[in-house]
Order: sequence, then C-alpha cells, then structure tokens
Amino acid sequence: QVQLQESGPGLVKPSETLSLTCAVSGYSISSDYYWGWIRQPPGKGLEWIGSIYHRGSTYYSPSLKSRVSISVDTSKNQFSLKVSSVTAADTAVYYCARLVPTTGTAAYWGQGTLVTVSS
Amino acid sequence: QSALTQPPSASGSPGQSVTISCTGTSSDVGGYNSVSWYQQHPGKAPKLMIYEVIKRPSGVPDRFSGSKSGNTASLTVSGLQAEDEADYYCSSYAGSNNLLFGGGTKLTVL
Repeated sequence: QVQLQESGPGLVKPSETLSLTCAVSGYSISSDYYWGWIRQPPGKGLEWIGSIYHRGSTYYSPSLKSRVSISVDTSKNQFSLKVSSVTAADTAVYYCARLVPTTGTAAYWGQGTLVTVSS
Repeated sequence: QSALTQPPSASGSPGQSVTISCTGTSSDVGGYNSVSWYQQHPGKAPKLMIYEVIKRPSGVPDRFSGSKSGNTASLTVSGLQAEDEADYYCSSYAGSNNLLFGGGTKLTVL
C-alpha cells in the first residue's frame, strides 16, 4: 500500500524559508508518477503548489513559482518542498501526494502537516 | 490561472440526489478529460472519488458519478447518506503540467 508522510517544522518566522519533506513507502519514487505538494489555508480550499518527476523535472504553480523549489532524493525515497520569503498567507496544511502525469489525479495523499507562519 | 468555480454549498435530504458543478474554461475543464473529484471530511486528507471525469476508484460507491459538458464538470451523489456530508473539491489538468482546484463545496445532508 502506498503511503506518504509529511514532516517538518510546524512554525516558521515571516521572511524565512519553509521546508518540508515527504517520505514515501510502499512504492519507489523512481518507478513512475509525479510527486506533488498541495496546500490548504485554514478554512479555505486546496491549492496545487507544484510537482516533480523522479528524473528531476519540476512544475510549479505560476502564482508561487518565484518562491518555490521541489527536489527529490531517490536514495531515501522522499521528496521535499521549500517556500522562501514566507508570510502569514503561507500558513496552511501542506499535503504531499502522488499524481498521475497529464491528468493530475491524486489517489494517494499524506495526512497533511500544519505550518504556521508567525513571529 | 484562476481557480475553478464551485458553488460554496449544496444540500439534500437522505435518499435524495444532489449535483455539484465545477466550471472552468476551454484551457482546463473543457480542454481535457482530466477532471477529478475529492471528498474531504474535517481534519482529514482529501479522498479521490472520481477521476478522468467519469471513472470511479475501487471502493468508491456507485452512488457517486461524474460528467462533463463543455467547460463545466459535475459530481452527482445519489441516494444521499449521512456520511456523504463533507467538503467536495474538483480539480482539472490545465496544460503544461499545471493543476487547478475548485474552491470547494460544502455538502450538507439535511
């Protein structure tokens, strides 16, 4: 069974960089699929942040592209997210997910991790 | 790119049917058969209910069905049950490996 688990600091100061990691079990990242990050501000809807293919190709939301970086570590079967220059608007539950290329279908999600941006 | 448009709320009585719409453009919903629907209960991760407009993952009741006409996709829940009360989100491939989500619809079972 494919499982994803997010980890990282729950509190980040404004202007600093948010860093999260998603550990994947039950499936090799190197096999196929895109691996993505999706966030949900408290009480609001879902927002796609970006995706990565195991060979390193990355795709980012146009609205976040200038501040976002996604990388993959196939040796650890995990992928990571960095969001720079964070503000309170970046406070959200961050989910990692496995995505089908060209459709964006996400059948497997992590449980989500709340990241709060506050001083 | 703007989020897909969903009604903020929908409701129905047990046993009834309810349909939730998801409106985009010819660059996303209308341009690809890549609409997905997710169910999200409070405090939980989204769960895939429909993919590629009309397909249902294994384990999802056949009370859930999807369709699309032009730039608008729809999710229909038939035979409403109490456990169907949740937030529902649509998503669509939007070209160039971009993905869009709808704003979400809160479904209330009366």
